[in-house]
Amino acid sequence: GAGVSQSPSNKVTEKGKDVELRCDPISGHTALYWYRQRLGQGLEFLIYFQGNSAPDKSGLPSDRFSAERTGESVSTLTIQRTQQEDSAVYLCASSFPQTNSPLHFGNGTRLTVT
Amino acid sequence: GNSVTQMEGPVTLSEEAFLTINCTYTATGYPSLFWYVQYPGEGLQLLLKATKADDKGSNKGFEATYRKETTSFHLEKGSVQVSDSAVYFCALSPERALTFGSGTRLQVQP
Repeated sequence: GAGVSQSPSNKVTEKGKDVELRCDPISGHTALYWYRQRLGQGLEFLIYFQGNSAPDKSGLPSDRFSAERTGESVSTLTIQRTQQEDSAVYLCASSFPQTNSPLHFGNGTRLTVT
Repeated sequence: GNSVTQMEGPVTLSEEAFLTINCTYTATGYPSLFWYVQYPGEGLQLLLKATKADDKGSNKGFEATYRKETTSFHLEKGSVQVSDSAVYFCALSPERALTFGSGTRLQVQP
């Protein structure tokens, strides 16, 4: 059983470019989360998908950030016109839909905007 | 709003020392509480959880008790090992997405 897979593991991009980050959740996990972790800080919630329900986008920091999920599988997080403050580790997690089901995290994508 | 406050690290201990990592929270309603751990080079993983007041979560020798009266969920271990060196995150779940604390780095020296 594979865990949550994220790609790329590292991404260096120039300021102003767009980036796409990918997350493959664990099979059967209908819930999927994106978090951001800036250096030395805690995890910042970005967006949450649950099955076919409308996603909870309340954590997205600006309209440059968007995410999609195809059914109950792969999700992509897109950051347009990247800024230096977007540099962080972007973590994806998935879980079963039941309340308090543990989250299973990927190893993250380290994004560096130069 | 919901928030979690953890003691700042790093916490440096000798092997077999007693560990406490403080965690307090602010939340509406009755959230569930969690500790997640991130070992070097690995993703975050659930360490333990408690879903209601006075519950005690435990795993791998770690324990934490859900204290509603003090809004706390402190992590403890009686005798730490070098292999416990990691970053520990306290989190709460009032509804769906977890709210995490900033993490506490633990370094255990032989």
